[in-house]
Amino acid sequence: AQSVTQLDSQVPVFEEAPVELRCNYSSSVSVYLFWYVQYPNQGLQLLLKYLSGSTLVKGINGFEAEFNKSQTSFHLRKPSVHISDTAEYFCAVSEEAGTALIFGKGTTLSVSS
Amino acid sequence: NAGVTQTPKFRVLKTGQSMTLLCAQDMNHEYMYWYRQDPGMGLRLIHYSVGEGTTAKGEVPDGYNVSRLKKQNFLLGLESAAPSQTSVYFCASTHLGIEAFFGQGTRLTVV
Repeated sequence: AQSVTQLDSQVPVFEEAPVELRCNYSSSVSVYLFWYVQYPNQGLQLLLKYLSGSTLVKGINGFEAEFNKSQTSFHLRKPSVHISDTAEYFCAVSEEAGTALIFGKGTTLSVSS
Repeated sequence: NAGVTQTPKFRVLKTGQSMTLLCAQDMNHEYMYWYRQDPGMGLRLIHYSVGEGTTAKGEVPDGYNVSRLKKQNFLLGLESAAPSQTSVYFCASTHLGIEAFFGQGTRLTVV
């Protein structure tokens, strides 16, 4: 069965610093990978997705992620964060030919000045 | 387009009461999902559906039932609510597993 592990539950950073949020998954078949963001008291919004092709995926708000099949990872990065990036971030996986969309437990990104 | 709409947005139940949460999507998506979100637990899949008339269990299905009689609607039922079911519930839909669209959530409190 597929599963997702987000390695950091909380990541505090200063404004304009780079950040990496780590995600590892387990699956025996090809997968689709996603990062979602949730601002307080709101639903989830898609940041970026990997379906196939280039392993470096660019998303909204300056975020990008790299799919590494050998390490079964899909880490999210941003070179310079803003206060407005403070939110909870979720990594998710679905098997290419499957149906269940499974989420990690989330990483809280706190950006301070 | 409305996207994914959840009804109601808030609800307080007494232990043992029943209720149904409605999820409606207007994007003609095949797949629909129900999740619950609890602090420190992320989103956990309750049930999902890959098409009209089909449902399947997710990670935490106990205490919940679902139905998908129409492609655009996915209902989540609690037959006998328990305090452990206090949570925020999210519905989502996707086109064949690509890019899930989420509703705004239903905050349920069971007292």
